[in-house]
Amino acid sequence: NAGVMQNPRHLVRRRGQEARLRCSPMKGHSHVYWYRQLPEEGLKFMVYLQKENIIDESGMPKERFSAEFPKEGPSILRIQQVVRGDSAAYFCASSSGGLPYEQYFGPGTRLTVT
Amino acid sequence: KQEVTQIPAALSVPEGENLVLNCSFTDSAIYNLQWFRQDPGKGLTSLLLIQSSQREQTSGRLNASLDKSSGRSTLYIAASQPGDSATYLCAVIKETSGSRLTFGEGTQLTVNP
Repeated sequence: NAGVMQNPRHLVRRRGQEARLRCSPMKGHSHVYWYRQLPEEGLKFMVYLQKENIIDESGMPKERFSAEFPKEGPSILRIQQVVRGDSAAYFCASSSGGLPYEQYFGPGTRLTVT
Repeated sequence: KQEVTQIPAALSVPEGENLVLNCSFTDSAIYNLQWFRQDPGKGLTSLLLIQSSQREQTSGRLNASLDKSSGRSTLYIAASQPGDSATYLCAVIKETSGSRLTFGEGTQLTVNP
């Protein structure tokens, strides 16, 4: 009964490179959320996806960031042309989609941009 | 805009003490409130979820209460242990914001042996 899985756990990228973060939801969950935790800051919502659909991307930066959750495979958060300010912990959560909307979190991916 | 505030930001107590962590939220129209624990460099562990129609939830030494009308929740930890040392986060889901969580800044708890 695996929980939410994220990989890689740690990712180092140079400025200008691309970062791809992966999230596999809990078995039976089809709703995925991405949150970001900047150093010394709280967790902030980024995007909410269901299979093949973006439901709410109101927390996503306007440029360089994109997310997908294909019919098959994990959800992917993609950051193009990374900058030092993108260094943060990125957490994925999943839920079954129904009330009470309880979310289960993965261990996170810690992105460091050098 | 929903804001979630946690007081205190940090708390240090001796082992065995009972303690209360506070969470307040500005918009009372919520579906639920969740308490999480985060250990340094780790992910979030869900501790308790209280639905908007509920007043409290209990799990072991933890008890969480919810007063939706006043926009407050408390997490009570009985007989604290050094292993309880972590950051405790509360988060709400607003009725008008889909199902995304809005987090407080957390309370960093240290339980000293």
